[in-house]
Amino acid sequence: EAQVTQNPRYLITVTGKKLTVTCSQNMNHEYMSWYRQDPGLGLRQIYYSMNVEVTDKGDVPEGYKVSRKEKRNFPLILESPSPNQTSLYFCASSFMDRGNSPLHFGNGTRLTVT
Amino acid sequence: LAKTTQPISMDSYEGQEVNITCSHNNIATNDYITWYQQFPSQGPRFIIQGYKTKVTNEVASLFIPADRKSSTLSLPRVSLSDTAVYYCLASGNTPLVFGKGTRLSVIA
Repeated sequence: EAQVTQNPRYLITVTGKKLTVTCSQNMNHEYMSWYRQDPGLGLRQIYYSMNVEVTDKGDVPEGYKVSRKEKRNFPLILESPSPNQTSLYFCASSFMDRGNSPLHFGNGTRLTVT
Repeated sequence: LAKTTQPISMDSYEGQEVNITCSHNNIATNDYITWYQQFPSQGPRFIIQGYKTKVTNEVASLFIPADRKSSTLSLPRVSLSDTAVYYCLASGNTPLVFGKGTRLSVIA
């Protein structure tokens, strides 16, 4: 089944403790992206990647890192999480060959930083 | 990347047709118009996409006028399960940026 898989689904951590949220897709998509969603603010893009070893900042990259060493994986890294990073996070992927390739989203990771 | 503007919220009764309009005045020649649906605590899901005129699938219709500066998502005979947030994107290239969407509430 074609899908984008995020792990974990729920995560509670403390300020300053490094964490990684994994994202993997099995559709051979070139494009991958991370979004965060907060009440009243819609989906905001954190980072995106157009292919292996190519990553770019989105609208809200501060406090986050990503890597794209393999085509299928695009982990989101929070080196020193803070409470303002408490949010619902989504990973998404799509093909890059045409501008009309729809995004496929994962089921989300709800992160709470205390 | 064209900025889109949608109504913040809409209400509808079950069985009615719902039309959600999206404005994208600065749409580029190679931009497509794509609509997504999102239920609470789930990732957005692709509904429909078009470039011009009219597109129809089993879920919805998308109407795009000749100037392409706006588009209308049409949901026929909505049910309670159509209560969700609907996002319109006008984009031909990355990054793909979402607005705040339209919160549709379907009332019995």
